[in-house]
Amino acid sequence: QKEVEQNSGPLSVPEGAIASLNCTYSDRGSQSFFWYRQYSGKSPELIMSIYSNGDKEDGRFTAQLNKASQYVSLLIRDSQPSDSATYLCAVKQGTGFQKLVFGTGTRLLVSP
Amino acid sequence: NAGVMQNPRHLVRRRGQEARLRCSPMKGHSHVYWYRQLPEEGLKFMVYLQKENIIDESGMPKERFSAEFPKEGPSILRIQQVVRGDSAAYFCASSPDRNEKLFFGSGTQLSVL
Repeated sequence: QKEVEQNSGPLSVPEGAIASLNCTYSDRGSQSFFWYRQYSGKSPELIMSIYSNGDKEDGRFTAQLNKASQYVSLLIRDSQPSDSATYLCAVKQGTGFQKLVFGTGTRLLVSP
Repeated sequence: NAGVMQNPRHLVRRRGQEARLRCSPMKGHSHVYWYRQLPEEGLKFMVYLQKENIIDESGMPKERFSAEFPKEGPSILRIQQVVRGDSAAYFCASSPDRNEKLFFGSGTQLSVL
């Protein structure tokens, strides 16, 4: 079983719709969770971090965490073509430095 | 404030040659990480360094790979006697403190012929 699993996609949504990206992880002791956006050929860019169960909102982005189900999700409201990218879920190992375990990413395509 | 700078952007090597990848962290950042991204795979942690010290190299292959972060100058990831399987994107990230979020560089795409 992979440590961090994501559906590779592509996930296709029309402009203005809500995009829902999901991620599951295997280490029940994990405490810190991150969503990165990566455009093709570019560096990963942190867009959300979440540490507690529940929802965390930042603009059009909402991260959701359910530690009991070992599940993290990212919702993107009012999706724009510029949101088309690969979204990487990352889970921090341990409680020390930023040793992150990444999923393989979900490719999101937002059509005009 | 310049971001994390990596060079070269693209590096082509023949099998058996050495590859040197450089990373200059953001100003004020003394913590550097190297991650590798193989085709169709997620980013994999390789090594974590602070100035002059390797803190965790558990993700780095035991042979041919080494990393350093000297007191002066960039962090260097060195791959000796490269093989085709080393072809990947190598990303450097930095942070101001061990628990702070990572800022990634644009990566070095290594191609081994």
